[in-house]
Amino acid sequence: ETGVTQTPRHLVMGMTNKKSLKCEQHLGHNAMYWYKQSAKKPLELMFVYNFKEQTENNSVPSRFSPECPNSSHLFLHLHTLQPEDSALYLCASSQTAGTGDYEQYFGPGTRLTVT
Amino acid sequence: AQSVTQLDSQVPVFEEAPVELRCNYSSSVSVYLFWYVQYPNQGLQLLLKYLSGSTLVKGINGFEAEFNKSQTSFHLRKPSVHISDTAEYFCAVSEGLTGGGNKLTFGTGTQLKVEL
Repeated sequence: ETGVTQTPRHLVMGMTNKKSLKCEQHLGHNAMYWYKQSAKKPLELMFVYNFKEQTENNSVPSRFSPECPNSSHLFLHLHTLQPEDSALYLCASSQTAGTGDYEQYFGPGTRLTVT
Repeated sequence: AQSVTQLDSQVPVFEEAPVELRCNYSSSVSVYLFWYVQYPNQGLQLLLKYLSGSTLVKGINGFEAEFNKSQTSFHLRKPSVHISDTAEYFCAVSEGLTGGGNKLTFGTGTQLKVEL
C-alpha cells in the first residue's frame, strides 16, 4: 500500500448504530487529519493529531470520537449519528513542522450515509 | 481568520481552450496557498503550491498559478485543457498550528467541465 488509505470506502448506517472509519498513512508523516466534505459546502477540518496527540478539535459534536494510536493510524468512531452527518469523510497526513508550508496528502475518503 | 473565495462554482470550457479558475484569499499571517484537484470518487490531489519566491508557480498536468499579493489572488490557469481535466478544483490557504500540523481553509470549489 502507498500513500493514504481509508476503509471502508462506503458505509451505510442507521442512527442508532456504532461504526468506525479507519485511515492509514504510509508516508512517514506525523500529523493526521479528519475532514468532512458535504455537498455545496467547503471542506471542513474536524480534527488534527500530531505525534498521536490531538491538537485541534473544530467544535465537532461528541458523536464523532477520534482515536490516534500511533502516527500511522487514525480512526473516527461514530455513534448516534444524524442524517445531516451523511458526507464524504477524508483523512489526510502531512509533515509536522507547524509552519503551515507542508502539503497534506489525502486518502480517497469514506462515503457515509446515515439512514 | 483566514478565508478563501472561489468566485465560480462551475466553469464549462471546450477541449483545447484555455481556462482560468479564480481564487481570492484573506490571511493575517504568512501566506501559503495551494490548489488541489478532486476527480470523481477520489480524494484530493495536490496540483501546485505557493510558499515564497517566484509568483508564478507551475504544477502538474500543465497547470500554473500566479500569486498576486496586492489583489490577494491566486488564480489557476491552463493554456489548453483536455477532457481528462474535468474535475473539481479547490483553492486553499494554510496556517501552521501551535501544536504541530497545519490547518487548510478551503474554498467551496470550482467544477471544471471540459466539453468536446
